[in-house]
Amino acid sequence: EVQLVESGGGLVQPGGSLRLSCAASGFTFSSYSMNWVRQAPGKGLEWVSYISSSSSTIYYADSVKGRFTISRDNAKNSLYLQMNSLRAEDTAVYYCARGVRGVISPFDYWGQGTLVTVSS
Amino acid sequence: SYVLTQPPSVSVAPGQTARITCGGNNIGSKSVHWYQQKPGQAPVLVVYDDSDRPSGIPERFSGSNSGNTATLTISRVEAGDEADYYCQVWDSSSDHQVFGGGTKLTVL
Repeated sequence: EVQLVESGGGLVQPGGSLRLSCAASGFTFSSYSMNWVRQAPGKGLEWVSYISSSSSTIYYADSVKGRFTISRDNAKNSLYLQMNSLRAEDTAVYYCARGVRGVISPFDYWGQGTLVTVSS
Repeated sequence: SYVLTQPPSVSVAPGQTARITCGGNNIGSKSVHWYQQKPGQAPVLVVYDDSDRPSGIPERFSGSNSGNTATLTISRVEAGDEADYYCQVWDSSSDHQVFGGGTKLTVL
C-alpha cells in the first residue's frame, strides 16, 4: 500500500525556518517524481515545488522561489522541504504528492498533510 | 502566467448530471487532471490526462477537453460526491504546475 506521511509542521514566527519531511512507503520511491502542494485555511490548492526522481530537475512556484528548497533522499525514501524566511502568507497545510511520471504527470497519491502556522 | 478558471460553485440534485468546467487559454493542447477534496481530507485524483480514470474511481466520473475548456462530468450524482473539485495542468512556458481555483459541488 502506498503511503506518504508528512511531518515537521508547527508554529513558527515570521522570518523563521522550518523543515518538512515526507516519508514514503509501499512503492519504489526512487522511480517517482514528487511534489509539495499547500492549502491555506479555507483556500484552494497551490503547487509549491517539484523534484524529479533523480533530483536532476527542480521547480518552484514564484511565491516561494529563493526561500524554499526541495530535496529528497532516495536511500531513506524521504522527501524534504526546507522553508526559510517564512511569512504569514505561508500558513497552510502542506501536502506531499507523488507524480506518476515527469512534470506532466497527475498526482496519484497524497499524504494527509502537515500544518504550518506562521505567526508571532 | 497560465490561469485556470473554475466556477466557484455548482449545484445539482441527486441522480442528475453535474458538469464542472475549467477554462484556460488553449487548454485543449494540455493534459488536464481533476481532483476531489472532501472537508478535512487530502485531494484524490478522479480523472487524469483529460479523460482517464484511476482504478477505483466510478465510471460516473468522466472528463473531456477541447479548445479553451475542460469539463469534469459526474453522472448520476450521489450525496457522497459533494466536495471541492480542482483541475490541474502543467504550464511548460513557466515550468509551473497550475491549479484552478476550485469548484464546490453541492448535492441538493
